[in-house]
Amino acid sequence: DTAVSQTPKYLVTQMGNDKSIKCEQNLGHDTMYWYKQDSKKFLKIMFSYNNKELIINETVPNRFSPKSPDKAHLNLHINSLELGDSAVYFCASSQTSGGNSYEQYFGPGTRLTVT
Amino acid sequence: GQSLEQPSEVTAVEGAIVQINCTYQTSGFYGLSWYQQHDGGAPTFLSYNALDGLEETGRFSSFLSRSDSYGYLLLQELQMKDSASYFCAVIQRDDKIIFGKGTRLHILP
Repeated sequence: DTAVSQTPKYLVTQMGNDKSIKCEQNLGHDTMYWYKQDSKKFLKIMFSYNNKELIINETVPNRFSPKSPDKAHLNLHINSLELGDSAVYFCASSQTSGGNSYEQYFGPGTRLTVT
Repeated sequence: GQSLEQPSEVTAVEGAIVQINCTYQTSGFYGLSWYQQHDGGAPTFLSYNALDGLEETGRFSSFLSRSDSYGYLLLQELQMKDSASYFCAVIQRDDKIIFGKGTRLHILP
């Protein structure tokens, strides 16, 4: 009974391709996030969704688009992949309405390699 | 602007105590969290401070001084399995969370 799951775990693709990463949480949380962790381990928030509405949209390229079919899922779609997109992408969730946004549960990560 | 500063690396000996500091500059500060991340793994939540003082959870403790914009994570009775990266993260009043760049903890036998 994994709390936050994401697929795939590894993704190797060529420049210019379009790819998606899926995320699901079974914790009943109201907010989900996408983070990018680069080779220097810097963890940067990309997006968050609260009750199917985008509430944080950091300065990421518009080639990245989050899609949330329901509050348990937040998928990340990436168009026209570039070499610099290579990183580990983490999905996370938290219960913001209870004031618990400080405690985030992370998925196992998706290691994206663009060649 | 917003910034968090923590040492990039810290080395300690097994069985000892180590302190990882975090200073922050941010608007609308609400609290400070700490996360642990092992190589190849996901960040996992360790502790949270919204008020000044020390919070203890087993071998780990976290401290916050809001007036000094400073906090630290204290790890006692170090074990080899504590070798990991540790991130401080500021939670703002608008529920935004900003992570520091992480401190790599090396433990020597």
